[in-house]
Amino acid sequence: EPEVTQTPSHQVTQMGQEVILRCVPISNHLYFYWYRQILGQKVEFLVSFYNNEISEKSEIFDDQFSVERPDGSNFTLKIRSTKLEDSAMYFCASSAARVDIQYFGAGTRLSVL
Amino acid sequence: DAKTTQPTSMDCAEGRAANLPCNHSTISGNEYVYWYRQIHSQGPQYIIHGLKNNETNEMASLIITEDRKSSTLILPHATLRDTAVYYCIVRVDGTDSWGKFQFGAGTQVVVTP
Repeated sequence: EPEVTQTPSHQVTQMGQEVILRCVPISNHLYFYWYRQILGQKVEFLVSFYNNEISEKSEIFDDQFSVERPDGSNFTLKIRSTKLEDSAMYFCASSAARVDIQYFGAGTRLSVL
Repeated sequence: DAKTTQPTSMDCAEGRAANLPCNHSTISGNEYVYWYRQIHSQGPQYIIHGLKNNETNEMASLIITEDRKSSTLILPHATLRDTAVYYCIVRVDGTDSWGKFQFGAGTQVVVTP
């Protein structure tokens, strides 16, 4: 069964450093999403991406965040200058259509020290 | 998107049916009911969704009341691996939506031997 894969599974970084979280969506999917979950809290929507553009973003997704589809298979989330409060699980998801089932990856645990 | 209300937690005996309620009294005509689950800190896993008719797949059944103000997810024969947080999410599936899911706190289901 096709799946969304995320790397790395755990990323440790120092405050102020840039990090890039990587995702390989399901191959024929066109819509891509990032969510995050701070430990013990709800899963929160960050951004949706389609046709090489951000289609929707939340208040959390400020200028420190950016997304990119650098090639035909990867979808990345970059945090420019990490803060302690960015520590969370980050989930990538993809779907075949705009309002369709989203399939989630296993997540990347980001720890900012 | 309409708000949902779910019990905080529930226990279920292994092998028995688990019935998970969800209240969405402010649901509107173009909003679908989706169910996802999250096992430990893994990525959310799609279970089932529906608009107004009852739905069944290999994982579960979804019963939506005639007035659509509430629904029940049924896991027919719960196993220990079904221990997870279950999320009931209402989402607009139309041209105005880019498909984001808004997760609540969900129901923590513990299946016991």
